[in-house]
Amino acid sequence: GQNIDQPTEMTATEGAIVQINCTYQTSGFNGLFWYQQHAGEAPTFLSYNVLDGLEEKGRFSSFLSRSKGYSYLLLKELQMKDSASYLCAVKGAGNNRKLIWGLGTSLAVNP
Amino acid sequence: EAQVTQNPRYLITVTGKKLTVTCSQNMNHEYMSWYRQDPGLGLRQIYYSMNVEVTDKGDVPEGYKVSRKEKRNFPLILESPSPNQTSLYFCASSSWAGQRSNEQFFGPGTRLTVL
Repeated sequence: GQNIDQPTEMTATEGAIVQINCTYQTSGFNGLFWYQQHAGEAPTFLSYNVLDGLEEKGRFSSFLSRSKGYSYLLLKELQMKDSASYLCAVKGAGNNRKLIWGLGTSLAVNP
Repeated sequence: EAQVTQNPRYLITVTGKKLTVTCSQNMNHEYMSWYRQDPGLGLRQIYYSMNVEVTDKGDVPEGYKVSRKEKRNFPLILESPSPNQTSLYFCASSSWAGQRSNEQFFGPGTRLTVL
């Protein structure tokens, strides 16, 4: 079967660094996405990895290891507004653009 | 402004009363999709469309219909809503081209309650 695992909840302190892990088992791999979703709002795109390594974009970085079926999202200099759910999604095999979604990690940033 | 719009944003209805949730995008995207999001179950795809007049079932299509007569619009139809269709619904679209070719842009969501 196809599966994506993320921790359900995490807590961190304002100004700190937090790493949110995602492991996946999918039939085929055509890229991994991270989305941010604030409560009651739409998911918004954060990052995309298709090759191994680290992609950095401001305070957010995303890492991928295809051989390990593993990714992480790194958030630096945490701000209160970073309190949200972080969704990991993998595009599997096929041409239908279907994404396999994790259940999301709810991050609470405390002062 | 590039966006995906959905209407209505909130709807309370009764069992069996047909309803349509509209979705429109102004980015000329070929691909459009409907999701529902429920606590503990995450985002689940209902239907998707690869282009005009091309639609296919996602993971949870039962009780829903869609159509894609125009590129910009992708309405979701509930012919006979039931309480188990109470959920938060998102429409999304994406383009074929570009480095992040699968980046999906989401509409603001429609919170549906079926009594």
